[in-house]
Amino acid sequence: DTGVSQDPRHKITKRGQNVTFRCDPISEHNRLYWYRQTLGQGPEFLTYFQNEAQLEKSRLLSDRFSAERPKGSFSTLEIQRTEQGDSAMYLCASNEAGDPGDTQYFGPGTRLTVL
Amino acid sequence: LAKTTQPISMDSYEGQEVNITCSHNNIATNDYITWYQQFPSQGPRFIIQGYKTKVTNEVASLFIPADRKSSTLSLPRVSLSDTAVYYCLVGDIPPTYNNNDMRFGAGTRLTVKP
Repeated sequence: DTGVSQDPRHKITKRGQNVTFRCDPISEHNRLYWYRQTLGQGPEFLTYFQNEAQLEKSRLLSDRFSAERPKGSFSTLEIQRTEQGDSAMYLCASNEAGDPGDTQYFGPGTRLTVL
Repeated sequence: LAKTTQPISMDSYEGQEVNITCSHNNIATNDYITWYQQFPSQGPRFIIQGYKTKVTNEVASLFIPADRKSSTLSLPRVSLSDTAVYYCLVGDIPPTYNNNDMRFGAGTRLTVKP
């Protein structure tokens, strides 16, 4: 297995447009997480899934953000009506529920630039 | 809620041992301490995790005193490739994210010089 993959790696869009990112977790992992990271800061939790169920969503997350994991495998994160403040690195991570220490395996991220 | 405090940055030289301390005064009984490493333009990578005393793996050691209000990540004989940001996280296993478990702070930016 090649690890967590994310697509695209970079996305440039204009303010007001919708964007969608994809994450493919490590194949046997049933948990999938989305984070957002801005320059100089650590990753900020957005949401996570166990199989296809979205178990937690950050209270700070705008309703312009939505995530899905319809078949319990890959996940998509959509941002509607993008704003310049949405510019960030969007990270996906996965693990298996019950893994010792809940260690998360991160993908390379999708860097979003909103013009 | 267990909040962590780390130095913003540290400098070291190749071959030296580096110790990064994280303060977590409000750590709860069920909380574990986890350290991640992040290189530029990459996602964080798990380094080590512990609950108490000392944990050692092939990459690092983690020292946790009896009161668990702090922890120290020790990197033996660092090289230039250890230049990265190091994050200390504290939280329950499994974490409850909206209770702020497993929050990444700003981390410690370690620069290893030749």
